[in-house]
Amino acid sequence: EAGVAQSPRYKIIEKRQSVAFWCNPISGHATLYWYQQILGQGPKLLIQFQNNGVVDDSQLPKDRFSAERLKGVDSTLKIQPAKLEDSAVYLCASSLAGLEQFFGPGTRLTVL
Amino acid sequence: KNQVEQSPQSLIILEGKNCTLQCNYTVSPFSNLRWYKQDTGRGPVSLTIMTFSENTKSNGRYTATLDADTKQSSLHITASQLSDSASYICVGDTGTASKLTFGTGTRLQVTL
Repeated sequence: EAGVAQSPRYKIIEKRQSVAFWCNPISGHATLYWYQQILGQGPKLLIQFQNNGVVDDSQLPKDRFSAERLKGVDSTLKIQPAKLEDSAVYLCASSLAGLEQFFGPGTRLTVL
Repeated sequence: KNQVEQSPQSLIILEGKNCTLQCNYTVSPFSNLRWYKQDTGRGPVSLTIMTFSENTKSNGRYTATLDADTKQSSLHITASQLSDSASYICVGDTGTASKLTFGTGTRLQVTL
């Protein structure tokens, strides 16, 4: 069984630039999550999708972050414009029945 | 506010030795307690998931315990190996739309 795929693995941008991350969940997993993990901290949920609908985006900084999952499969997370404090690892996870979440390898973002 | 605290923050042990990582949680309502292993540069991987009625669960050399009365959990690693070097994250789950509360992790280094 293929795992959660994410790309790119690394991204370096300057502040005020925009960036997008892509996630392909495990086939058949209806629930998809985006997390932000700052160095030395545990992951923080940004947004949760159930199929292509948003379940929870209460911690998503909506003035600069956006996410979509148009066909209920792949998802993209965008930051525009980026700030220095956005430097983090962005993790995508998926789950079948909401119990066990499977995480992708993450995208490490550095904002200079 | 839901909270998960882990100790120690970091730990160095010799290969072959045992170690125990601690987790105190305040999660309400409580559904289950999870332990994840996160290798450097990778996403977290689930080790154990325990509901309130389970007080111990093993996964190979990893044994997790749960005391629902004191709201404490521990992860015991037996006969450590170099590949056990990673961060171990304790996670509380309310069971509500799979909202997880992550600890900041214990960084374990196994040396020769």
